[in-house]
Amino acid sequence: AQKITQTQPGMFVQEKEAVTLDCTYDTSDPSYGLFWYKQPSSGEMIFLIYQGSYDQQNATEGRYSLNFQKARKSANLVISASQLGDSAMYFCASRGLFGQNFVFGPGTRLSVLP
Amino acid sequence: DAGVTQSPTHLIKTRGQQVTLRCSPKSGHDTVSWYQQALGQGPQFIFQYYEEEERQRGNFPDRFSGHQFPNYSSELNVNALLLGDSALYLCASSLYRDREGNTIYFGEGSWLTVV
Repeated sequence: AQKITQTQPGMFVQEKEAVTLDCTYDTSDPSYGLFWYKQPSSGEMIFLIYQGSYDQQNATEGRYSLNFQKARKSANLVISASQLGDSAMYFCASRGLFGQNFVFGPGTRLSVLP
Repeated sequence: DAGVTQSPTHLIKTRGQQVTLRCSPKSGHDTVSWYQQALGQGPQFIFQYYEEEERQRGNFPDRFSGHQFPNYSSELNVNALLLGDSALYLCASSLYRDREGNTIYFGEGSWLTVV
């Protein structure tokens, strides 16, 4: 079984500042992927970044980076230079390999302040 | 290239009724998964369809059923609606052979309200 924990229901950050959204996971799969999705009020889940459990380096995608600490089972999302458009719900998710479904955390609502 | 499209976007149903939600996957994708997202929660996996068969199922009752058509589009049916079925229903499309899962795309969802 897999479980995702996001302990921050809501976060505030000043525009242009960096913010870290926390995620810890628990999985029995030997190989797995960790994902972060952004969900604006429209409802669509927008893929941000992916980290494979076997990847040696932390993933980066533009202003997004994933701080992956396998021994601590954490996969925190770092957003640099926050923008007003970053205000949304953010979900951490895990997925075993070979077609398995996502397990999502409860989400963190990020509000970027001007 | 069209992304994942879902219909309808919003609908209101009465307790006990039945509802059908539809999803067209991204061009080139062959697998459709459905998720239920209650207000204030993360999405929960309902089931996955590939080659017109249900391949995986989450912890949902038999009132939730689905279908996949030869063109890879899919339907989610919910019978005997309960107030607790009110949620955003998300469709995700992917390639079944996608080992890592980082080519999964979600639609904008169907907002279902049961009154």
